[in-house]
Amino acid sequence: EVQLVESGGGLVQPGGSLRLSCAASGFTFSSYWIHWVRHEPRKGLVWVARITNDEGNTAYADSVRGRFTISRDNAKNTVYLQMNSLGLEDTAAYYCARDGGFGTPFDLWGPGTQVIVSS
Amino acid sequence: DIQMTQSPSSLSASIGDRVTITCRTGQTIGNSLNWYHQRPGRAPKLLISVASNLQSGVPSRFSGSGSGTEFGLTVSNLQPEDFGTYYCQHSHSFGQGTKVEI
Repeated sequence: EVQLVESGGGLVQPGGSLRLSCAASGFTFSSYWIHWVRHEPRKGLVWVARITNDEGNTAYADSVRGRFTISRDNAKNTVYLQMNSLGLEDTAAYYCARDGGFGTPFDLWGPGTQVIVSS
Repeated sequence: DIQMTQSPSSLSASIGDRVTITCRTGQTIGNSLNWYHQRPGRAPKLLISVASNLQSGVPSRFSGSGSGTEFGLTVSNLQPEDFGTYYCQHSHSFGQGTKVEI
């Protein structure tokens, strides 16, 4: 089955860290760019970060640059999102999604993992 | 990032209705505009790519139009499973969403 599955979410205190994983199966993982998109309660969908398929070039939203790091392991068909210095504003459902690169749409999404930042 | 403005922010409709959602962009983007549907607690689903290309498996009651800076998503013969929030997207930018209540 062609799918993406996120894991690693949970409850964390402000200033804490989490590492999310996105495991892919059923397709040629190394051919796709992978993005993290979060659903913020009052803003809707917000793009967070992406990593390209080949050289692993990365890009980040201004709100997370310097705190979050996206990486991938093509041998494990997995993308990671290391999240440090978490704040209340990072509370959201986090989704990974794939695209074919260069402006193609997000045609496959995972079911999401919830991150709650609270003291 | 490009400004994406959807209207309306929410709407209430009945089964069988035809509804249209508009997405305006802050600069011209050709036809590089995609539409997604998200139900509460579920992942978004791609409905339409490059403004008007219906994805495989998406019912034909969905249609997309537009180019440049103004785009539309129309749902004809609204069904119960169509409730939820619709988002337009270009590159790393999403619209703020349109919540459709049945």
